[in-house]
Amino acid sequence: KNEVEQSPQNLTAQEGEFITINCSYSVGISALHWLQQHPGGGIVSLFMLSSGKKKHGRLIATINIQEKHSSLHITASHPRDSAVYICAVKGTSGSRLTFGEGTQLTVNP
Amino acid sequence: NAGVTQTPKFQVLKTGQSMTLQCAQDMNHEYMSWYRQDPGMGLRLIHYSVGAGITDQGEVPNGYNVSRSTTEDFPLRLLSAAPSQTSVYFCASSYRQGQGTSGSSPQFFGPGTRLTVL
Repeated sequence: KNEVEQSPQNLTAQEGEFITINCSYSVGISALHWLQQHPGGGIVSLFMLSSGKKKHGRLIATINIQEKHSSLHITASHPRDSAVYICAVKGTSGSRLTFGEGTQLTVNP
Repeated sequence: NAGVTQTPKFQVLKTGQSMTLQCAQDMNHEYMSWYRQDPGMGLRLIHYSVGAGITDQGEVPNGYNVSRSTTEDFPLRLLSAAPSQTSVYFCASSYRQGQGTSGSSPQFFGPGTRLTVL
């Protein structure tokens, strides 16, 4: 069993829909990262959080430490949101991140 | 401020050849790392460094060497390329993990190097 699991693996939505991507992890963590990988391959950090909720524009990330679960929400989705979204966790010791396999999101016009 | 740069962007090697993937950052980040990304798998850590002169192995270090003689540069060397090393390689940097209330800091990724070993 992977330490970090994302669902769904693939997600297709219509423009304007509300999107939710889930991340579950099995280890104690000090922080969780959400990353976006563009179709061209570049990877960008979206959020880093250790508790509660963060919002940036149409993106919202939440984390429940007790349930070992995080969600990434996209409101009013747009075709330019089409990308792979990756969840990664940092354990309670050391510097390393463990990554989920990613969720491929396609938003159709 | 160029961020994290990687060269080359594409490379084709023959089995047994050696090469170095270059990575540089201009943000004075202590922590640098190399990942490989393969279809159906998450990013996997090859080697990492928490500062100049300090390196350590990640999840999949076999067949790769690294060194960190300066804060800015973190090259990845393939000693004798094998087809199993065909992958996309990403370099990343951040402030040293453990700072701040979360014990973590945002990761900055390079654009990636697509390597094919024939």
